Amino acid sequence: DGGITQSPKYLFRKEGQNVTLSCEQNLNHDAMYWYRQDPGQGLRLIYYSQIVNDFQKGDIAEGYSVSREKKESFPLTVTSAQKNPTAFYLCASSIGLDARPGYTFGSGTRLTVV
Amino acid sequence: RKEVEQDPGPFNVPEGATVAFNCTYSNSASQSFFWYRQDCRKEPKLLMSVYSSGNEDGRFTAQLNRASQYISLLIRDSKLSDSATYLCVVNNAGGTSYGKLTFGQGTILTVHP
Repeated sequence: DGGITQSPKYLFRKEGQNVTLSCEQNLNHDAMYWYRQDPGQGLRLIYYSQIVNDFQKGDIAEGYSVSREKKESFPLTVTSAQKNPTAFYLCASSIGLDARPGYTFGSGTRLTVV
Repeated sequence: RKEVEQDPGPFNVPEGATVAFNCTYSNSASQSFFWYRQDCRKEPKLLMSVYSSGNEDGRFTAQLNRASQYISLLIRDSKLSDSATYLCVVNNAGGTSYGKLTFGQGTILTVHP
């Protein structure tokens, strides 16, 4: 079955460490997105990519980095520069560049700083 | 003004009730509109797209008013399984926002026996 796979499901990071969250899709979608969700809040866009080898900053890109070397993969690195990284991270993809008919989401990664 | 605003609730309704959620958006260039459902500690899932003419899917009805930049979701005959957070989502297409979806903070619904 086609879908988006995020790993790991839970991740614990020590202060000052960089960590990379994996996102893989086999839906043949062109566009991929990373969102962050904090408790009781909506989703905020970190980075998005509409095509291989190209990506754009979202609303809260500081402290994060991404790459899009393959159509299927869009990993997110949370760097030590991100001051408050504890959150629920969601990866999504869409079939078209205008995001119709909406996104498909992965099941998310819960990152906790210890 | 937030790009997408929703009443956060929570809405607590008995089974069988009809409940309506409202949402406003600020970008008049937005072209696509959606309602997503998010269960506790899970990813959002597409509930339905919202079309200009209004659309219905079983017990769910979505309406769009472009002039007022307003979207609504009506749930009839509520079930216990409808308990979730409902996210209003808008495609802020145009300019550098092409393809980006902007999410409201969500409206919490609890259906009780």
